[in-house]
Amino acid sequence: DAKTTQPTSMDCAEGRAANLPCNHSTISGNEYVYWYRQIHSQGPQYIIHGLKNNETNEMASLIITEDRKSSTLILPHATLRDTAVYYCIVRVAGGTSYGKLTFGQGTILTVHP
Amino acid sequence: NAGVMQNPRHLVRRRGQEARLRCSPMKGHSHVYWYRQLPEEGLKFMVYLQKENIIDESGMPKERFSAEFPKEGPSILRIQQVVRGDSAAYFCASSPDRVTNSPLHFGNGTRLTVT
Repeated sequence: DAKTTQPTSMDCAEGRAANLPCNHSTISGNEYVYWYRQIHSQGPQYIIHGLKNNETNEMASLIITEDRKSSTLILPHATLRDTAVYYCIVRVAGGTSYGKLTFGQGTILTVHP
Repeated sequence: NAGVMQNPRHLVRRRGQEARLRCSPMKGHSHVYWYRQLPEEGLKFMVYLQKENIIDESGMPKERFSAEFPKEGPSILRIQQVVRGDSAAYFCASSPDRVTNSPLHFGNGTRLTVT
């Protein structure tokens, strides 16, 4: 799976949009971009994923650049409960390595009042 | 729809004892994955199982660790003769299949402490 690069930490004011960048310049054509987050002492929580089109769900939006070498996770109205470590993961669909997600260090997002 | 259920949430074992961690996947999910998170480290893949089959165990330590996912009942991660270095959070995830891009859904983990 392609390696990803994320900033170590970011801050965001409550109520503002949080934009978390991820670089995945070596991504292959059959690899998806997934975002998970881990709130302290809990298991990773799936947020959103995409291949090449922008995606939106009730939690967040995912913007993938046209060349697919980077993406941005957007939390439109951050709350204190969004404070967590956010992981950007590139993963191939199917195959025996399907479940082998590679979690890097992620971005520690701190939402402050 | 219940999520991935893991039990116990906390487990304390003395060195040399056995630890058994259980995972019940989400309803309709037939694929289970185990991950380990050592203190202050990221999650690391251990093993991927389908009912009665081990698909990928490339992340499992060669000794003392085993996993199963029987036809009936939860998946079990078994650690024999535990040592202090086994103290970690063990997370289980499940998915409905491996053909599509279905995301993995994780449980809240079992925190193993070896004294």
